[in-house]
Amino acid sequence: SSELTQDPAVSVALGQTVRITCQGDSLRSYYASWYQQKPGQAPVLVIYGKNNRPSGIPDRFSGSSSGNTASLTITGAQAEDEADYYCNSRDSSGNRHVVFGGGTKLTVL
Amino acid sequence: QVQLQESGPGLVKPSETLSLTCAVSGYSISSGYYWGWIRQPPGKGLEWIGSIYHSGSTYYNPSLKSRVTISVDTSKNQFSLKLSSVTAADTAVYYCARRGIAAAGSYYFDYWGQGTLVTVSS
Repeated sequence: SSELTQDPAVSVALGQTVRITCQGDSLRSYYASWYQQKPGQAPVLVIYGKNNRPSGIPDRFSGSSSGNTASLTITGAQAEDEADYYCNSRDSSGNRHVVFGGGTKLTVL
Repeated sequence: QVQLQESGPGLVKPSETLSLTCAVSGYSISSGYYWGWIRQPPGKGLEWIGSIYHSGSTYYNPSLKSRVTISVDTSKNQFSLKLSSVTAADTAVYYCARRGIAAAGSYYFDYWGQGTLVTVSS
C-alpha cells in the first residue's frame, strides 16, 4: 500500500497565498483530491483530478502536481479557510485501494 | 442533490460487531459510482475502510480487511458496513461517501454523509 505525508500545521496571513503539500509514491501515477474539514463537520471536496473544483468552491482554491508531490494552493486566504485539509489518492499498487494523508491544520492569521 | 445519511447504534460493546447503514437519496446506487466508508477517530485523521460497487464488488483497507464486510441493497438504495471484534480503537466518527473517478483513473469522494459517532465501550 501507499502512504501520503502532509505537514501537520501551516499558517498564512489574511489575504496572502499558502501552499499545502502532500507527498507519496502514488502521486507519481494518480492525482490527489483535497478536502476541507471544519470542526464538527464532514469533509468537503475542494479539488479533484488535474485541477477541478466542484460547484460552489471558490476559485482561490487550485491544485497542482509534480513528481511525488501534490499541492493545494489558496490564493488570497480568507478567515473562513481556516480548517483541516486532507489529501487523498488512489493506491498505486493497482488494487483500487484508497489512502488519505494525515491532514494539515491551516491557521489564518 | 445527492444526499447520504448514516444510521446505526452509537454505542457498541468490545468484541461485538459494529453495524451501520448509509441511505442514499437523489441518486440511484445502481446507476454507477463506487460507495465507500471512511472513519475518523476523535482528534485524528481520516482512514478509508472500504468501497463497494452496485454489482457487489468490494475493496477493503488491508489493515481492516479481516474484520470488515460492506454490502449493498440496491432495492433500498443503501449500503452497509459491518466491523467485527471491535475494540476501543474503533471508536470514531464513521462517514459514508460517494467515490468518483477522475483524470488518469484518480479517485475522489464528492458527496459525504454528516457522519455518525460510534463509541466502543462496555
